Amino acid sequence: EPEVTQTPSHQVTQMGQEVILRCVPISNHLYFYWYRQILGQKVEFLVSFYNNEISEKSEIFDDQFSVERPDGSNFTLKIRSTKLEDSAMYFCASSRGGVQETQYFGPGTRLLVL
Amino acid sequence: DAKTTQPPSMDCAEGRAANLPCNHSTISGNEYVYWYRQIHSQGPQYIIHGLKNNETNEMASLIITEDRKSSTLILPHATLRDTAVYYCIVRVASGGSNYKLTFGKGTLLTVNP
Repeated sequence: EPEVTQTPSHQVTQMGQEVILRCVPISNHLYFYWYRQILGQKVEFLVSFYNNEISEKSEIFDDQFSVERPDGSNFTLKIRSTKLEDSAMYFCASSRGGVQETQYFGPGTRLLVL
Repeated sequence: DAKTTQPPSMDCAEGRAANLPCNHSTISGNEYVYWYRQIHSQGPQYIIHGLKNNETNEMASLIITEDRKSSTLILPHATLRDTAVYYCIVRVASGGSNYKLTFGKGTLLTVNP
């Protein structure tokens, strides 16, 4: 069964550094998402992406964040200058779209900013 | 998207059915009910969804009341591996666009041996 994969599984970085989180969505999916979950809190929507452009973004997704689909398979989330409060689990999801679209999530990347 | 209300926690004995309720009294006619679960800190896992008819798949059954104001997720024979946080999410469905999922706090289901 096809799955969404994410790399790395864990990332430790220093405050102010740039990080890139990578996702490989399910191959025939067209819609892509990033969510995050701060430890002990709810899963929060960050951004959705379709046809090489952002469809919707949340208030969290400020100028420090960017997304890209650099080739036919990868979907990346870049944080330009990390802050302590960016420490969280980051989940990628993908879907085929349509009226009953179902999003399938990856296992997540645990980001720790020191 | 309509707001949902779920109990914060429930217990269930292994091998018994787990019935997880969800209230969504402000649901609109074009909104689907989705259920996901999250085991420890893993990625949310899709379980099932429905509009107004009851639905069943290999994981669970979804019972939606006739007025659509509430629903119940049924795990027919709970196992220890079903211990997780279960999220009931109501989401607008209209073809062709991305739709974010809005997660609440969910119900922590603990399956006991």
